[in-house]
Formats: sequence, C-alpha cells, structure tokens
Amino acid sequence: AQSVTQPDIHITVSEGASLELRCNYSYGATPYLFWYVQSPGQGLQLLLKYFSGDTLVQGIKGFEAEFKRSQSSFNLRKPSVHWSDAAEYFCAVGLYQAGTALIFGKGTTLSVSS
Amino acid sequence: DGGITQSPKYLFRKEGQNVTLSCEQNLNHDAMYWYRQDPGQGLRLIYYSQIVNDFQKGDIAEGYSVSREKKESFPLTVTSAQKNPTAFYLCASSPTGGGNTEAFFGQGTRLTVV
Repeated sequence: AQSVTQPDIHITVSEGASLELRCNYSYGATPYLFWYVQSPGQGLQLLLKYFSGDTLVQGIKGFEAEFKRSQSSFNLRKPSVHWSDAAEYFCAVGLYQAGTALIFGKGTTLSVSS
Repeated sequence: DGGITQSPKYLFRKEGQNVTLSCEQNLNHDAMYWYRQDPGQGLRLIYYSQIVNDFQKGDIAEGYSVSREKKESFPLTVTSAQKNPTAFYLCASSPTGGGNTEAFFGQGTRLTVV
C-alpha cells in the first residue's frame, strides 16, 4: 500500500539556523508530492509541490524541497528559520489514479528557540 | 473571497447524538474531501466526492456519513456509531479528483464529546 513517512515527530531549531524536514514515500511510481504547513487550530496551507521536471522546487515563505528518486524522498529545507515558522508540517503524496485523495504523513512539529 | 468555509469552529456533542459539520466552497471545485486529524496521527481520509451525487469511503468511514447534493456543499454527519468522535475535522476541495491537484483546506471544526 502507498504510504508516507515523516521520521521526525518533533524538531527544535534555533532561530536563524537551517532546517531540514524529512519525508519518504512508498509507491510503485513517482507520485505527485506536496508539503503543507499548519498553524495551531488552523487549516493546512500549501508550501510547495512537485509534479515533474527540476527536482529542486521553490515554495512560499522561503522554503524549498528536493525530490530524490533513488531515496524515495522529498525533504523540505529552509536556510534560516524564523520564529514564525513554528508549526506542524505535513508531507503528502498524490497518486496517478483518477479519483484518489492525497495521502498524508503523520506530520513533524517544528519548534523554534531564541 | 474564494475559499472553503467550515462551521461551526467548535462543536460539542453529547454521547449518543448525531451531529453534522458543514463545509461550503465557492471555488467551483469538483472534488471535496473530509479528513480527521488526531494528535500524532496526521490526516486520515473519511470520505471524498469527485462529483455531485457521488462519494466514496476513505480509510476510516465507519460511523460517518456524507451527502453531495450540491457542488459547493459536502456536509459530514458524525453518527452515534462513531465510538471516538472527539477530533479536529478538516474539509478540503480540489479542482478535480486525482493526485495531481492541490487540495485547498478549510479552517477546521473541533468536535468534542461531553
């Protein structure tokens, strides 16, 4: 079955430090890939997505992600974290089949220390 | 402004009661989804609908029911058969069904059984 794994449940990063959140997927082909962010008690906002082409994709709020086919990974990065980046981050995959819904990982909570 | 509106934001239910969560979108999207979010569990799919008058069960449909009588509306009923309904419920929509379209999310409804 298709699945998404986010190995880190909780990460704490100092303000100004770099960030990398990990995401691995299990699927027979290259899926469509997404990263979403959720502030407490809110809905999800799309940060970026990968469908094909350049494996390094840029998103909003200074985030980027790199797709690595050999590792079945789609890790999210940011060079310098701001306190406002503290939130929960979800990786999701979309399948090729029509009539399917996104499959989400369990999320990584990011805390930012001063 | 276009978007997805979920109401109410907070909902309290007595054990044994059915409750209905509202989800309305004015994005003219064909597909709509309901996800349940529990701490540490990520988002789990309850039901989704590709077109009006058609919907499919997701991974955790037991104890829930939906209808899709209008394109813009996809209400979710939490029935008394749902043994542990306390959770955060997220509604989403996408232009079409399938994995290659971004899902847009509402702000969520927090349901608590009292």
